[in-house]
Amino acid sequence: KNEVEQSPQNLTAQEGEFITINCSYSVGISALHWLQQHPGGGIVSLFMLSSGKKKHGRLIATINIQEKHSSLHITASHPRDSAVYICAAEADSNYQLIWGAGTKLIIKP
Amino acid sequence: EPEVTQTPSHQVTQMGQEVILHCVPISNHLYFYWYRQILGQKVEFLVSFYNNEISEKSEIFDDQFSVERPDGSNFTLKIRSTKLEDSAMYFCASSGSGLAGGRPTGELFFGEGSRLTVL
Repeated sequence: KNEVEQSPQNLTAQEGEFITINCSYSVGISALHWLQQHPGGGIVSLFMLSSGKKKHGRLIATINIQEKHSSLHITASHPRDSAVYICAAEADSNYQLIWGAGTKLIIKP
Repeated sequence: EPEVTQTPSHQVTQMGQEVILHCVPISNHLYFYWYRQILGQKVEFLVSFYNNEISEKSEIFDDQFSVERPDGSNFTLKIRSTKLEDSAMYFCASSGSGLAGGRPTGELFFGEGSRLTVL
C-alpha cells in the first residue's frame, strides 16, 4: 500500500470551475507539502502545512491531522493552472518527503 | 527571487560512462537534496545532505552514486558507470535557513532539473 495516495489521478475541467485534489497519508508527518510540476518538468513548492488551512491567491490547502487527509483547492480555475499537482508527506521520523503519484490537471478554456 | 540552479539541463551519455550533475543551492540554505523522477513515475528521494555530510539516503542511492559539496556553493551528484535505467530527470532542492525543533525550516526550493538520457 502506498504511504501517500492522491485522487483523482487525472482531472479535466472547464475554466472557472472549482477544483479539489485530495491526499491521504498513512505515516506520521511533521508537515504536508503541495507542489506543482509544470509541463516542462520543473517543480515549485505551493504550500507546506502542518495544521489548519493556508491560502495563496486562488489556491487553498487544508489538512486534517486526525484523519490524515489534505486537500488542495483551486478557485476560478484557469488554463494556466494546468499542471501536475503533487502531495508529499514529510515523515516525522527523518523529515524526508514521501511523494504521491500526482494529479494531472487540465483546465480547458 | 532566490533560485536553485542546475546544470546541465539535458545530458546524453553512453552506458557505462560517468556523469556529474551540478547544482547551486540557495546561498543561506543548510539542507540539500537530490531527487529522481523516471519518466511517467513518481518523484523519488535519493539523498539529503547537511553540514557537509549525507544525513539520509534511500535504497536507490547505492555505491553507484555519490554527492559532494566541493567548494561551499556547488552541490554535485555523481553517477558512476551509468545504466539504461538511470535515465531520468534529476532534481536538486534546498531548504532551511535555520532549524526549528530539529527540522529544516522554510519551504523547499527546486531546480529546473537535469534530464539524463543513457543510451
